[in-house]
Amino acid sequence: GNSVTQMEGPVTLSEEAFLTINCTYTATGYPSLFWYVQYPGEGLQLLLKATKADDKGSNKGFEATYRKETTSFHLEKGSVQVSDSAVYFCALSDRAGGGNKLTFGTGTQLKVEL
Amino acid sequence: GAGVSQSPSNKVTEKGKDVELRCDPISGHTALYWYRQSLGQGLEFLIYFQGNSAPDKSGLPSDRFSAERTGGSVSTLTIQRTQQEDSAVYLCASSLNVPLGTDTQYFGPGTRLTVL
Repeated sequence: GNSVTQMEGPVTLSEEAFLTINCTYTATGYPSLFWYVQYPGEGLQLLLKATKADDKGSNKGFEATYRKETTSFHLEKGSVQVSDSAVYFCALSDRAGGGNKLTFGTGTQLKVEL
Repeated sequence: GAGVSQSPSNKVTEKGKDVELRCDPISGHTALYWYRQSLGQGLEFLIYFQGNSAPDKSGLPSDRFSAERTGGSVSTLTIQRTQQEDSAVYLCASSLNVPLGTDTQYFGPGTRLTVL
């Protein structure tokens, strides 16, 4: 079956540091890949997505590139801010059954300090 | 417009009781999903609706769990004879379900269920 593996947290960084959160996946077919973010006390929000190999998703300074050869979708940001403190989930979509059900990784908590 | 709403936001119940959780999707979204988020299992898919039918129920953990959707809109997730392991945050998401592409799922704030 499909699965997503992401680096365990928590990750603590200083403001303006470089961020990488690793994500790898196992899937049949050609899934779409997503990063969702959950800020404290809020619901899940889509951060970025990529629908095919070599696509780069980007939003709010975050980027991730769909790498089919390494089955990876690592999240990066060049300079994190305190406001980026949240839990980040990597996910893939599976169109089995006709829908786009998401398979999530376990989430990585990021804490950014001044 | 309004986002996905869920009610109640919190539900505390006793083991063995039945509970109903409600989801109001974004108007016009034909696809609706239920997920749950628990400490032990992370975020798991439960069921997918397209309109009023549920072509994928593969994530429902037992026959105590059921869901329905009426009028292509509101959905109710029912858990019968609740157990302590059912304690989790139940999330609903909706999307346009564009056939040829991937569509973004918009999540509600969730219902936190605690089974005592």
